[in-house]
Amino acid sequence: DAKTTQPPSMDCAEGRAANLPCNHSTISGNEYVYWYRQIHSQGPQYIIHGLKNNETNEMASLIITEDRKSSTLILPHATLRDTAVYYCIVRSRHRYGGSQGNLIFGKGTKLSVKP
Amino acid sequence: DTAVSQTPKYLVTQMGNDKSIKCEQNLGHDTMYWYKQDSKKFLKIMFSYNNKELIINETVPNRFSPKSPDKAHLNLHINSLELGDSAVYFCASSRPGPYEQYFGPGTRLTVT
Repeated sequence: DAKTTQPPSMDCAEGRAANLPCNHSTISGNEYVYWYRQIHSQGPQYIIHGLKNNETNEMASLIITEDRKSSTLILPHATLRDTAVYYCIVRSRHRYGGSQGNLIFGKGTKLSVKP
Repeated sequence: DTAVSQTPKYLVTQMGNDKSIKCEQNLGHDTMYWYKQDSKKFLKIMFSYNNKELIINETVPNRFSPKSPDKAHLNLHINSLELGDSAVYFCASSRPGPYEQYFGPGTRLTVT
């Protein structure tokens, strides 16, 4: 079962920042927070991941609370093409050799970016 | 260049048939995966495969079998297809460890 809780849906105006929350209150010390998204009918796409520090890349920023029990994915200037289901996933950091490294997808948040 | 490719994109077949879906990655990754996304859009891991070590999700029927002719390919064979096998199947690859996975475009399988 997924170890994360996300709102089922959110709306965002085009050009505004989209802030997608995720709760992962049972996260353990060796687990990373990953974000993926799935645009309609396409394969999931990696966005960003982090352990405890905030992270930023060309797609998004990831803010992780100090207690690591929740995080927020920020798309700074949402466009219509960002409409997708966004998945927050916790995954252990370990050398390959077991199922703990597999991605366990939950229901995600369906983000609708509106003009 | 497509990083992870799958063929075919669509597959329609009858119950009881045996079919295969092919997956190729040109990223040089050591680990490959198969996922199933059902009609309710839940995405579930089926297999992960690294250097000839296969990890099988215990819920996957043994009618499903991944076969890897080389490091760049992980094909999915399905025997005696059932209606419930209808879904979109995604292949993915990554470096070993906590690295991002790259997904293929998916194969929509319809069993009639």
